[in-house]
Amino acid sequence: GQNIDQPTEMTATEGAIVQINCTYQTSGFNGLFWYQQHAGEAPTFLSYNVLDGLEEKGRFSSFLSRSKGYSYLLLKELQMKDSASYLCATSGTYKYIFGTGTRLKVLA
Amino acid sequence: DTAVSQTPKYLVTQMGNDKSIKCEQNLGHDTMYWYKQDSKKFLKIMFSYNNKELIINETVPNRFSPKSPDKAHLNLHINSLELGDSAVYFCASSQDWQYAGQYFGPGTRLTVT
Repeated sequence: GQNIDQPTEMTATEGAIVQINCTYQTSGFNGLFWYQQHAGEAPTFLSYNVLDGLEEKGRFSSFLSRSKGYSYLLLKELQMKDSASYLCATSGTYKYIFGTGTRLKVLA
Repeated sequence: DTAVSQTPKYLVTQMGNDKSIKCEQNLGHDTMYWYKQDSKKFLKIMFSYNNKELIINETVPNRFSPKSPDKAHLNLHINSLELGDSAVYFCASSQDWQYAGQYFGPGTRLTVT
């Protein structure tokens, strides 16, 4: 079956770096996705990893280890506007599953 | 230009009624989806269409019926609404259903009284 685990909440300070972890189990792995969702808004696509390694996109980077069933989203130079939920999702054989999300609070 | 749009944004209705939510994307994507996000914020896929063909049909009551008249549209019809159907429903689209990120519409907040 498919299963995704990520921490429920994290808190960090403006300007800091935070790493949000995600572990997954899936059959027929096609990729690992990260989305950002601000309260009361729709999710926004951030990144996609299908090969092992780090993908960097500005202040956000995403890492994947397929053998460990593990990914993380790294946010650098945190800003207040980064306060949101971050959802990890996997694509598998005719399945697309979201984790329950990590609510990140950025403090001044 | 709105990439993925859905109407209405808010829908308040009584138990037992039938309602529809419409979704349109102008991104030229091949795949469209319907998701339900409940009060605990868990986002669960309901249906997915690829080139007008149903490819994902999760365990949802058969009161929910998707319809895709063309690649750019995926509508959701709900019969005999129940209190438990109250949630935010998101439409999304992607270039393909396996390897591409999804782009979400603004959501429809459905409240059943």
